[in-house]
Amino acid sequence: DAMVIQNPRYQVTQFGKPVTLSCSQTLNHNVMYWYQQKSSQAPKLLFHYYDKDFNNEADTPDNFQSRRPNTSFCFLDIRSPGLGDAAMYLCATSSSGTSNQPQHFGDGTRLSIL
Amino acid sequence: DQQVKQNSPSLSVQEGRISILNCDYTNSMFDYFLWYKKYPAEGPTFLISISSIKDKNEDGRFTVFLNKSAKHLSLHIVPSQPGDSAVYFCAASSITGTASKLTFGTGTRLQVTL
Repeated sequence: DAMVIQNPRYQVTQFGKPVTLSCSQTLNHNVMYWYQQKSSQAPKLLFHYYDKDFNNEADTPDNFQSRRPNTSFCFLDIRSPGLGDAAMYLCATSSSGTSNQPQHFGDGTRLSIL
Repeated sequence: DQQVKQNSPSLSVQEGRISILNCDYTNSMFDYFLWYKKYPAEGPTFLISISSIKDKNEDGRFTVFLNKSAKHLSLHIVPSQPGDSAVYFCAASSITGTASKLTFGTGTRLQVTL
């Protein structure tokens, strides 16, 4: 089945130690998104790629970066994780950037900071 | 500033009855509204959507109603089934940069009892 796969499902890192989360898709979608969801809060968009074009949300901390080496893969890099970065990170894709195309989500990576 | 609000954190409904989940929004620029369903340990799954130019969309047991003047939408599930027990997120779409952006509510946990 075509899908969005996030690895790992659970990630534990130390305060200040860089961490990378991975997302891959077999849907061949143009757009890939990263969301952050803290406990009991709404998922919040961090940034997205339309093909190779990167779009950062205005309030996304500088600590968060992303790479998309090809259509299938997208990475979320957190350079110096703080305790406040502990959250569920969701990757999503859509076939085009238009609003009528629903986004397809992976199962998320839960990040814990020690 | 929360632009999409789901004021009921939880809802319990008997099997066979109607479930009504509500959502309010503040931004008139949203052009599509979507409902996602989320089971524990899984990512959100797209359920149904509605364009801002329509007032109703139906798909099987699921119907979404949009009242633009009140900036309110609702999801009706009839009849409710135990498998519908999940967290339901309301999301509103707008264009940011090169793609659509989803702004989520905080979710409503639906419990369908026997």
